[in-house]
Amino acid sequence: AQSVTQPDIHITVSEGASLELRCNYSYGATPYLFWYVQSPGQGLQLLLKYFSGDTLVQGIKGFEAEFKRSQSSFNLRKPSVHWSDAAEYFCAVAANTNAGKSTFGDGTTLTVKP
Amino acid sequence: GAVVSQHPSRVICKSGTSVKIECRSLDFQATTMFWYRQFPKQSLMLMATSNEGSKATYEQGVEKDKFLINHASLTLSTLTVTSAHPEDSSFYICSASPSGGASGYTFGSGTRLTVV
Repeated sequence: AQSVTQPDIHITVSEGASLELRCNYSYGATPYLFWYVQSPGQGLQLLLKYFSGDTLVQGIKGFEAEFKRSQSSFNLRKPSVHWSDAAEYFCAVAANTNAGKSTFGDGTTLTVKP
Repeated sequence: GAVVSQHPSRVICKSGTSVKIECRSLDFQATTMFWYRQFPKQSLMLMATSNEGSKATYEQGVEKDKFLINHASLTLSTLTVTSAHPEDSSFYICSASPSGGASGYTFGSGTRLTVV
């Protein structure tokens, strides 16, 4: 079975500072990996995904993530955080045979200080 | 493109009544949709896979008689919470993909159900 761990429940960064959100997954084969962002009371918005190929993937809103098979990680990064980035971030993994059945991490709440 | 719409966004119902939540793919057809449930401050848990023209596939521990799923067309899946109880209060979200998953999944904006 697949699983996802997001070690950081809550992260606070200053506006303009860099950001890294950690994600570790467990899956026996090559996974599909996703990062989503959720604002309060809203659905999820896909930031980026990794299926195969280049291990550094670019997403929307200036986010990127790097797939590291050796570390079973898919960390999300942004070089300069904006106040509007404050939200809940979820990492998810899915089997490559059924990407719709995603398993989500518990999420990381990002707070941005002015 | 790839817009998924959910309705209603919020609903309050009395205990014992049933509530229907709709999930529509607005600009694509989806033979498969997924229903998730999210408790406050928690992650999303997959409830079931909705299959157009056939029975839904439920995850372990999800009561199929309580959470009725119907996927009667390629653009609409419905989740009906039957005989709702306060513990059913939650945020329900659906997702679908225009390409069977190859381009990723789009989530609806969610439905906040409160049972009083």
